[in-house]
Amino acid sequence: NAGVMQNPRHLVRRRGQEARLRCSPMKGHSHVYWYRQLPEEGLKFMVYLQKENIIDESGMPKERFSAEFPKEGPSILRIQQVVRGDSAAYFCASSPRQAIEAFFGQGTRLTVV
Amino acid sequence: AQSVTQLDSQVPVFEEAPVELRCNYSSSVSVYLFWYVQYPNQGLQLLLKYLSGSTLVKGINGFEAEFNKSQTSFHLRKPSVHISDTAEYFCAVTTEEGGSEKLVFGKGTKLTVNP
Repeated sequence: NAGVMQNPRHLVRRRGQEARLRCSPMKGHSHVYWYRQLPEEGLKFMVYLQKENIIDESGMPKERFSAEFPKEGPSILRIQQVVRGDSAAYFCASSPRQAIEAFFGQGTRLTVV
Repeated sequence: AQSVTQLDSQVPVFEEAPVELRCNYSSSVSVYLFWYVQYPNQGLQLLLKYLSGSTLVKGINGFEAEFNKSQTSFHLRKPSVHISDTAEYFCAVTTEEGGSEKLVFGKGTKLTVNP
């Protein structure tokens, strides 16, 4: 059973471009969480999704950020018109039911130049 | 709002010495508590978690933590560290703020084990 797979591992974007981060949950997991880790900070919750539904997006910036978890395929975190402040590590976690059972992926490190 | 405080941002120790990484959380309601380890450029690996029962929790790699409800603490300990324990350690607690259960993390403690 493969773990939570995130790709790409590293992503470089110029200011104003779009970034798409992908997360394939563990087999049998229908709950996905996205967290962001800024330099020298802990992880901060962004959004919680179940298949085809956004359950809690209370940690998502109001503009430029969106997330989806379609019926088929990986969960996508999309950042439009990236700015330098978006440079961070973005982690995805998946669980079969609750947050306390979540497993984390290895993260995507986004660098905006 | 729920918050987690890791009192030491960096902890240097010598190999085979004991170590304690401190963690305090803010909520007085029932919570679940976690410690994760992050090696450079890697994801988070669960070390241990407290859900209920015995307040002394044993995890992987010889680590253990003690839940102290009265002091709202969940300190991580290891009696004898190895070079390979050099990593960043994050304490986390559950919260339901925002309408769903999620994790709130501390800012991390960088443990450096020197020979």
